[in-house]
Amino acid sequence: QKEVEQDPGPLSVPEGAIVSLNCTYSNSAFQYFMWYRQYSRKGPELLMYTYSSGNKEDGRFTAQVDKSSKYISLFIRDSQPSDSATYLCASRRDSWGKLQFGAGTQVVVTP
Amino acid sequence: GAVVSQHPSWVICKSGTSVKIECRSLDFQATTMFWYRQFPKQSLMLMATSNEGSKATYEQGVEKDKFLINHASLTLSTLTVTSAHPEDSSFYICSASPSGRAGSYNEQFFGPGTRLTVL
Repeated sequence: QKEVEQDPGPLSVPEGAIVSLNCTYSNSAFQYFMWYRQYSRKGPELLMYTYSSGNKEDGRFTAQVDKSSKYISLFIRDSQPSDSATYLCASRRDSWGKLQFGAGTQVVVTP
Repeated sequence: GAVVSQHPSWVICKSGTSVKIECRSLDFQATTMFWYRQFPKQSLMLMATSNEGSKATYEQGVEKDKFLINHASLTLSTLTVTSAHPEDSSFYICSASPSGRAGSYNEQFFGPGTRLTVL
């Protein structure tokens, strides 16, 4: 069983809609939870990270972590075609530990 | 933000040859660099953790004699795929963590990746 599970999609939404992404994880020792965006043939870039449970908002992006259910979510409001990419969730035990990635969800925002 | 570069961005080689991929942190020093492999429509799989001045730590199932890693300076790590075969064809991505940020979240900055095709 993978430590971080993520539906690969693709997820297609119309422009302006809310994109809802989620992951589950199995290792209760994970403390840091990240969302990365990866465009085709590019390296991932960090969108947001969260320490422990709770919500974090940055512009159109909101990340949520529920450690009791081992559930990670990312919401993108007012989606734009430029948001079309693969979104990867990742977790790690501590601030220096290795990252465990989900499979990535391909998102397509149609004009 | 911190920038990590990789060279080459893509390479095609014949089976049996060796290929070297460079990973550089351009505007920061990185004690630790990581090498990942990504197959199409799959996630990033960590291959090894590279620490400056010491031997790399390889993940289970990764052949250290096939994937040679050298981290000779605080801004450069190299991955050499020796005796490459078609099954080694993949997208190789490195990341680097800035040195000296104890006590805070230590972000990994990713390079743009190198696409290797072995014929």
